[in-house]
Amino acid sequence: AQKITQTQPGMFVQEKEAVTLDCTYDTSDQSYGLFWYKQPSSGEMIFLIYQGSYDEQNATEGRYSLNFQKARKSANLVISASQLGDSAMYFCAMSLVGGSNYKLTFGKGTLLTVNP
Amino acid sequence: DAGVTQSPTHLIKTRGQQVTLRCSPKSGHDTVSWYQQALGQGPQFIFQYYEEEERQRGNFPDRFSGHQFPNYSSELNVNALLLGDSALYLCASNSGTGIYGYTFGSGTRLTVV
Repeated sequence: AQKITQTQPGMFVQEKEAVTLDCTYDTSDQSYGLFWYKQPSSGEMIFLIYQGSYDEQNATEGRYSLNFQKARKSANLVISASQLGDSAMYFCAMSLVGGSNYKLTFGKGTLLTVNP
Repeated sequence: DAGVTQSPTHLIKTRGQQVTLRCSPKSGHDTVSWYQQALGQGPQFIFQYYEEEERQRGNFPDRFSGHQFPNYSSELNVNALLLGDSALYLCASNSGTGIYGYTFGSGTRLTVV
């Protein structure tokens, strides 16, 4: 079974500063993918970034980067130059690759508040 | 390009009743997954439909059932509603057998009283 742990229920950051949201995962499978989603108050889950377990480089998408440390089973999200619009819930998720498993397993999320 | 559309957006039902939630996938997507998100929690996988068949199911009772139509749209049915079924129900679509590229809808907020 897969498990995602997000230990920060809430985080605060000043506008224009960087922030790191923590995520650790647990799986015995070797082939998997890690995701980060943003959920604003509207409810929609917005895809931010993806990291495959065999990717050697850390993923980056604009202001988002994923700090992937495979040996520590961590996949932290780094948001650079925070903006007021970044205030939202952030979820880390994972899925196995291949086989007959298609589901995403989510953590409990971190509520990020960006202060002006 | 329309994303994932869910209806209704909000719903209030009484314990013991039945409810049907609907989802239209993003154009070009043929796979639909349903998730339940209780207040303050992350989404939990209910099941996934592909080629009109339930392909994978999460740890939910048989009261939760679904259907996928030939146009790839999907319904989630919940029978004998319990107070604990109150949650945001999210639909996600993607293409084929990949795990990448899920697009989520804004969800249906179900309240059971």
